[in-house]
Amino acid sequence: GQNIDQPTEMTATEGAIVQINCTYQTSGFNGLFWYQQHAGEAPTFLSYNVLDGLEEKGRFSSFLSRSKGYSYLLLKELQMKDSASYLCAVRALNDYKLSFGAGTTVTVRA
Amino acid sequence: ETGVTQTPRHLVMGMTNKKSLKCEQHLGHNAMYWYKQSAKKPLELMFVYNFKEQTENNSVPSRFSPECPNSSHLFLHLHTLQPEDSALYLCASSQDKRVEDEKLFFGSGTQLSVL
Repeated sequence: GQNIDQPTEMTATEGAIVQINCTYQTSGFNGLFWYQQHAGEAPTFLSYNVLDGLEEKGRFSSFLSRSKGYSYLLLKELQMKDSASYLCAVRALNDYKLSFGAGTTVTVRA
Repeated sequence: ETGVTQTPRHLVMGMTNKKSLKCEQHLGHNAMYWYKQSAKKPLELMFVYNFKEQTENNSVPSRFSPECPNSSHLFLHLHTLQPEDSALYLCASSQDKRVEDEKLFFGSGTQLSVL
């Protein structure tokens, strides 16, 4: 399996920027996903990276460095509704299954 | 609304009870999954069905029994559970498990408490 690490909690102010880091160790890499999960709700897909670089989608961006086993999710212009848990998940080569990190709970304060 | 519906949302059961969790997807997907989510722990994959065939049983105890009668419905039958089985059980679906960039669509889960 993969060893996936991400911080447990982060707090930021409305309008600010927060960067959630995710590091992974895998014998073969075949894609990294970020999901958002509000309390009591379903996780929802945010982004997918398989090549190195930055993928931007509005206020959210995701970065991947395969050589470093590292990704981050960047949330800009934070809004109160961004308070949620953010899950990093990795797919290994020749395996369709996703391995998830424990999630990072982001709290946005006014 | 993700197109994946789970019932019930909450379930409290004793260790001697038998209950079932239900999942239905309205997305026309061919793969369905059961995950277990415990507080502060990573999501654990339990079972996978692709085109109604079970393709993964991730060393799950036999007190959990999945059933997939068709590509749209997935059940998890529970019997003689233990208190440590208390968790959020999430159902997910995807178009086809073999596609590399395949994203999962999750239901809101069933919060299970075993007394």
